[in-house]
Amino acid sequence: QVQLQESGPGLVKPSETLSLTCTVSGASISGYYWSWFRQPPGKGLEWIGYIYYSGSTNYNPSLKSRVTISVDTPKNQFSLSLTSVTAADTAVYYCARGGPGDPLDYGGQGTLVTVSS
Amino acid sequence: SYELTQPLSVSVALGQTAKITCGGNNIGSKNVHWYQQKPGQAPVLVMYRDSHRPSGIPERFSGSNSGNTATLTISRAQAGDEADYYCQVWDSRTVVFGGGTRLTVL
Repeated sequence: QVQLQESGPGLVKPSETLSLTCTVSGASISGYYWSWFRQPPGKGLEWIGYIYYSGSTNYNPSLKSRVTISVDTPKNQFSLSLTSVTAADTAVYYCARGGPGDPLDYGGQGTLVTVSS
Repeated sequence: SYELTQPLSVSVALGQTAKITCGGNNIGSKNVHWYQQKPGQAPVLVMYRDSHRPSGIPERFSGSNSGNTATLTISRAQAGDEADYYCQVWDSRTVVFGGGTRLTVL
């Protein structure tokens, strides 16, 4: 069974960088696309971006200037970095498997990141 | 940019059929995926590529997609089906989510 687990700080100060890691178990990260999306409290889902195991990426145009997604195949992990955060970036962040055309078929339980001083 | 439109809420009587729609320009030409999200939980895939059910999803869930509307149909609705439902497509290699529909089972 494919399992994903998000990890990282639950509190980030405004203007700083949010960094999260997703650890994949039960499947190799190779050969697949991996995505990040988020959900502000009480709101809907917003896609952040994806990475292919080879390292190619694509991002939500509205976040593109602040987002970097990277992959560490030996560790079977991929990561999210979001710079210059504000309170509007407070959300539950999810990682999932899926890329162009495919569903996000396996996902993590999510991790709440609060942006506050 | 591509947009998906869902009703904010849908109500269904226990045991009856609920239909949740997802509107988009020529959405019938795209593959639509549906997710169920219960309070405090992560979204779960309940339908992919318009009408395919993942393993473990009851046959009561079905999907269709044609023209400008995709539909998730839940037959014999149960109390456990109460949740938010999101449709999703890929457009120009980016994910687009619908705004979500709250399903209430009366």
